[in-house]
Amino acid sequence: SAVISQKPSRDICQRGTSLTIQCQVDSQVTMMFWYRQQPGQSLTLIATANQGSEATYESGFVIDKFPISRPNLTFSTLTVSNMSPEDSSIYLCSARGGATDTQYFGPGTRLTVL
Amino acid sequence: AQKITQTQPGMFVQEKEAVTLDCTYDTSDPSYGLFWYKQPSSGEMIFLIYQGSYDQQNATEGRYSLNFQKARKSANLVISASQLGDSAMYFCAMREGRPNSGYALNFGKGTSLLVTP
Repeated sequence: SAVISQKPSRDICQRGTSLTIQCQVDSQVTMMFWYRQQPGQSLTLIATANQGSEATYESGFVIDKFPISRPNLTFSTLTVSNMSPEDSSIYLCSARGGATDTQYFGPGTRLTVL
Repeated sequence: AQKITQTQPGMFVQEKEAVTLDCTYDTSDPSYGLFWYKQPSSGEMIFLIYQGSYDQQNATEGRYSLNFQKARKSANLVISASQLGDSAMYFCAMREGRPNSGYALNFGKGTSLLVTP
């Protein structure tokens, strides 16, 4: 299994600012993903972070708002840009080794935007 | 369209009893996988159990078992001998053939389980 860490674990930010969330996996993984969980809701996929190329975004999410980097097979960042209170959510990093492997999750980043 | 349906927003069970959490899914892909995760109040997502669409046997992991009925497109989670620590949100998720998204999981809305003494 993969052990995933995220930084920061939580943050309170002012509207209009940006926050970068870091995700580190303890082993090389094929796929990394970023999810959003709004208060009281389920998980929604933001994008798939591809190593060495641009991320693949789901409908409703755009690169200008959620730029993602994945410089290697164990690390990715998600930036939440120009934040508004509607961005207050838990952001979860997830990773999987192979096509049929289990998908594991980091502990999440709790973001509050004032 | 909602691909994973969890119809029970909340469930109660008494300690030491068994409980079944419902999950139905919709896919036309012959190859898919079904997962259950537990999310305690701390927010972490804990993997519980996995069932592949071609698996002949129902998956089991300790006190967790998955009642897989392929024709009915259901994948219910059964927790035997409930413990107070089982109180949490439970999410059903499906992986199907979407290579552009890296075969990422799609989640149901979840069921909140409360285990009472």
